[in-house]
Amino acid sequence: GDSVTQMEGPVTLSEEAFLTINCTYTATGYPSLFWYVQYPGEGLQLLLKATKADDKGSNKGFEATYRKETTSFHLEKGSVQVSDSAVYFCALSDLPGTASKLTFGTGTRLQVTL
Amino acid sequence: KAGVTQTPRYLIKTRGQQVTLSCSPISGHRSVSWYQQTPGQGLQFLFEYFSETQRNKGNFPGRFSGRQFSNSRSEMNVSTLELGDSALYLCASSRTSGGTDTQYFGPGTRLTVL
Repeated sequence: GDSVTQMEGPVTLSEEAFLTINCTYTATGYPSLFWYVQYPGEGLQLLLKATKADDKGSNKGFEATYRKETTSFHLEKGSVQVSDSAVYFCALSDLPGTASKLTFGTGTRLQVTL
Repeated sequence: KAGVTQTPRYLIKTRGQQVTLSCSPISGHRSVSWYQQTPGQGLQFLFEYFSETQRNKGNFPGRFSGRQFSNSRSEMNVSTLELGDSALYLCASSRTSGGTDTQYFGPGTRLTVL
């Protein structure tokens, strides 16, 4: 079945450092791809999404590009802040073109220090 | 507008018992999905309901069931609880099913099975 693989955490960075969290997927079709973020004590929030190859999702300074050739959707941010400390989940929709029935990666914890 | 609400937030049960969790979607949202989050298995899709009908189902045993009411509120039931059912159960709502509408997650119900 479909699956999502994320880099192991935790990732510890100093404020203003560059962030990359790797995400690769396995899917039979052309899934929609998502990044969700979970702040301490809160539920999941959609960070960004891309629904077709070469789409770039962006939000709050975070970006990710849907790369069909490498089946990847890596999350990047040019300058992280302490407030970005959270767990980040890469996900895909098993139903192409939709945001339903999400398959999630294991999550990557990001810790940003001053 | 109010977000997705889940009740109760915390629950402790013993093996063999059954439990019912409730989810109230965002006003106007007709699709409700349920996910199980555990340290070992991560986030896994349970099922999705739309207009009182189950639209999609994950790979969970029949002990896990759900339903949706005419006001879009949803309940999830787990019968004959096992220790491995201890998890954070997340509910997510979206306006429609099968589209690219964003899923909005609730804070979850933490179930502990003793």
